Amino acid sequence: GQQVMQIPQYQHVQEGEDFTTYCNSSTTLSNIQWYKQRPGGHPVFLIQLVKSGEVKKQKRLTFQFGEAKKNSSLHITATQTTDVGTYFCAITNAGKSTFGDGTTLTVKP
Amino acid sequence: NAGVTQTPKFQVLKTGQSMTLQCAQDMNHEYMSWYRQDPGMGLRLIHYSVGAGITDQGEVPNGYNVSRSTTEDFPLRLLSAAPSQTSVYFCATTGPYSETQYFGPGTRLLVL
Repeated sequence: GQQVMQIPQYQHVQEGEDFTTYCNSSTTLSNIQWYKQRPGGHPVFLIQLVKSGEVKKQKRLTFQFGEAKKNSSLHITATQTTDVGTYFCAITNAGKSTFGDGTTLTVKP
Repeated sequence: NAGVTQTPKFQVLKTGQSMTLQCAQDMNHEYMSWYRQDPGMGLRLIHYSVGAGITDQGEVPNGYNVSRSTTEDFPLRLLSAAPSQTSVYFCATTGPYSETQYFGPGTRLLVL
């Protein structure tokens, strides 16, 4: 089945710095979702992208879907301590989701 | 509206014991899935169901059984627990016209 590679695995930033995580596939994707998991918590849906070149924003978070629909990114501007957690990308087909391994973000105050 | 509930929250088993992890949803969703998450790793699909009476294997099904007798419930059975099954188990549900997964709070399982 389809797989997604996510990089980096870990990212440690100073509060106020920016953060980006990338998700890449060797095949064209019909959709991609992004989730956030706080330490000790469960994954929570953030957003879905379906269109080539799509860009969506949620406050300080910017999500992009590549023109070829083979990659996606999540960018956080001016990180805050509340942004800590693991961010996952996922692709879903008929109720089955395949998740990337996630990027764990730590923020130093 | 509770969403997705899982019981128990924590469980310690001895090697060879069996147990059932419970999952229930009140969202009237057809699709339900079980994932396991190991430290530093993503979520791996164990089994999933597209509706009552229909189940199928995911990426890592060995050692686990599922059944789906109702829309609401999707229990996961460990037949003979092994230390390699120490993990956090998440149940999730998706609506038929959506790709959004709604996760339960998880069950943390330790097999000694």
